[in-house]
This record gives sequence, structure tokens and C-alpha cells, in this order.
Amino acid sequence: DTGVSQNPRHKITKRGQNVTFRCDPISEHNRLYWYRQTLGQGPEFLTYFQNEAQLEKSRLLSDRFSAERPKGSFSTLEIQRTEQGDSAMYLCASSRGGGRGEQYFGPGTRLTVT
Amino acid sequence: RKEVEQDPGPFNVPEGATVAFNCTYSNSASQSFFWYRQDCRKEPKLLMSVYSSGNEDGRFTAQLNRASQYISLLIRDSKLSDSATYLCVVNEGTGFQKLVFGTGTRLLVSP
Repeated sequence: DTGVSQNPRHKITKRGQNVTFRCDPISEHNRLYWYRQTLGQGPEFLTYFQNEAQLEKSRLLSDRFSAERPKGSFSTLEIQRTEQGDSAMYLCASSRGGGRGEQYFGPGTRLTVT
Repeated sequence: RKEVEQDPGPFNVPEGATVAFNCTYSNSASQSFFWYRQDCRKEPKLLMSVYSSGNEDGRFTAQLNRASQYISLLIRDSKLSDSATYLCVVNEGTGFQKLVFGTGTRLLVSP
């Protein structure tokens, strides 16, 4: 399967702990995106990479959030000092450059902060 | 005002029915438009792009009205497997592709 993959699929953590999620995009895609989705809402944009460069960050991405894509392939999203409000599905998507911007999503990491 | 607005539904229809979803967007500079489908607790999957001239893919027809900032999706001959949430999506990026999602419209197709 050459789709977007994400690990772990589920994460339960206690408030105040740090968590890290990984995303492996479709291999020929140079653009990678992180979104967050809460119940009853559509996904909300968090950040965007073109190759290894992080080119855009949403205001939703507080100082506790950091994302990297060190070699322009996989990406990690870290949340420090988790809060209950961080509980959500974290979705990763990838796309080719140019075109209409079709993005393909991974299965997501569901985070529960207790 | 939300950037992308959709009726959350649910729309309850019998198999074989035709159903239409509508969506409005606020940013007139938006570049491209899509419908995604999302099953419960799964990731969104691209259903189709939406072109100004309108486009059709099997039982699905999408329309875009840029002047009214309005997007529609028509599903003909509904199947049980069409039951899902349909997300209206607008690309608002300038220089990159930032997708803005509506909250989704839930469709339930019953036997």
C-alpha cells in the first residue's frame, strides 16, 4: 500500500505529558500537511511543509506544538505538556506540487488526554 | 460567518433516491473546490474535484457557481454504501494549498 500512513493510530496520555506522532506521505508527494479534527467538525489546518521547509503555520498551532520534516520525507508532530483540549484526531495529508491541490489523507492518530 | 458553510443534516433517504447537498464559501479568491467523503471514525477521502463547468463521475454530479460562491453535489440512485458524511472543501491557499473544510453533511441511506 503506497498511501499516507500514520503512527500510532491511537494514543492515550495523561495531561502534562509530551506526545509525538509520525506521518509517512505518499512517496512521490513533496507537500505534507497536518490537520486536527474534533467531533462534529471538519478538519482544521495546522501546518504545511514543502519538502523539508515548514512554510505555513496556523494560529491554532500554539507554542506547545512543533512539527518537523527533517529530510523532506516523513514528518513528526509533537505536543508538549498536553491539555485535555488537545484531544482530537490528528490527520496528515500529502499532495504533489501544482495542480488543483488534491490532498490525500492518512488514517489519523486519535489522541485522548485524560 | 464560517468560511465554508454546510447543512449538517442528517439527510435520511431511501435507496434509489436522488439527494442534493449545498455549500457556500466566503472567500471569493478561493482557487479550487472539492467534495470529500468521510466515514465514521475514518479519514476524509477525495470524492471529486469541482469545476466551473460542472462535472460528473458516475452517479455523482458537482456544480460550482463562483458568482454566488456556491457549490453543490448531487447523488443519483443512492446506495446503502453512500451513507457517510460529505465534506465541502475549498482551497484558500495563495502559493500553497490550504484546504478549508465545512462541518460536513451527514447522509443516511436506508433500505
